Amino acid sequence: DIQLTQSPSLLSASVGDRVTITCRASQGISNYLAWYQQKPGKAPELLIYAASTLHSGVPSRFSGSRSGTEFTLTISSLQPEDFATYYCQQLNGYPPWTFGQGTKVDIK
Amino acid sequence: QVTLEESGPALVKPTQTLTLTCTFSGFSLNTPGMRLSWVRQPPGKALEWIARIDWDDDKFYSTSLKTRLTISKDSSRNQVVLTMTNMDPVDTATYYCARTRLEDYQQFLDVWGKGTTVTVSS
Repeated sequence: DIQLTQSPSLLSASVGDRVTITCRASQGISNYLAWYQQKPGKAPELLIYAASTLHSGVPSRFSGSRSGTEFTLTISSLQPEDFATYYCQQLNGYPPWTFGQGTKVDIK
Repeated sequence: QVTLEESGPALVKPTQTLTLTCTFSGFSLNTPGMRLSWVRQPPGKALEWIARIDWDDDKFYSTSLKTRLTISKDSSRNQVVLTMTNMDPVDTATYYCARTRLEDYQQFLDVWGKGTTVTVSS
């Protein structure tokens, strides 16, 4: 199975900070990667798919990029509602699919 | 409006079989390209994709769980059923179903249910 390694596992930041989360795939997955946000006690919500396509209704401060097998989620200016855990997921071809281990963004 | 709701027992005993139902509305699993996935999350841990069923009844399973899982659909009732045999305490988790779309060769889980929590304990 394809493995995804997210870093960091924990990120402490302040409102207004620019935040970057990285997800590295164990083999090439083209741009078949999505990012989700999950708040405590809630279901995950789709932020980005196809590595860089913003899902409908997601604020433009979120963006995604790809360089080879390394993917990045960037929040340009962290807002109070953005404190959450973020997961990447690879959806390359047929399943099985995998998620990263998650990055928790908390208040510095 | 697309909604999904998971249902099933909150508590199962070790070795028992778990049956979960995802009841959805606002879309059809008969639509070409439409899929539905199950994802689980043990307490305090990461998400784990476990199964998917497609509009054409293709089925896919997690490598580590495939011998224990069966997924099926009843499109007329807008339901997908997941069964997991031989439950163990490590299977304690919140189980989510999520609509899985195919769009321009890209796949993604765009709408999720709220999840149902299953505890495995004697």
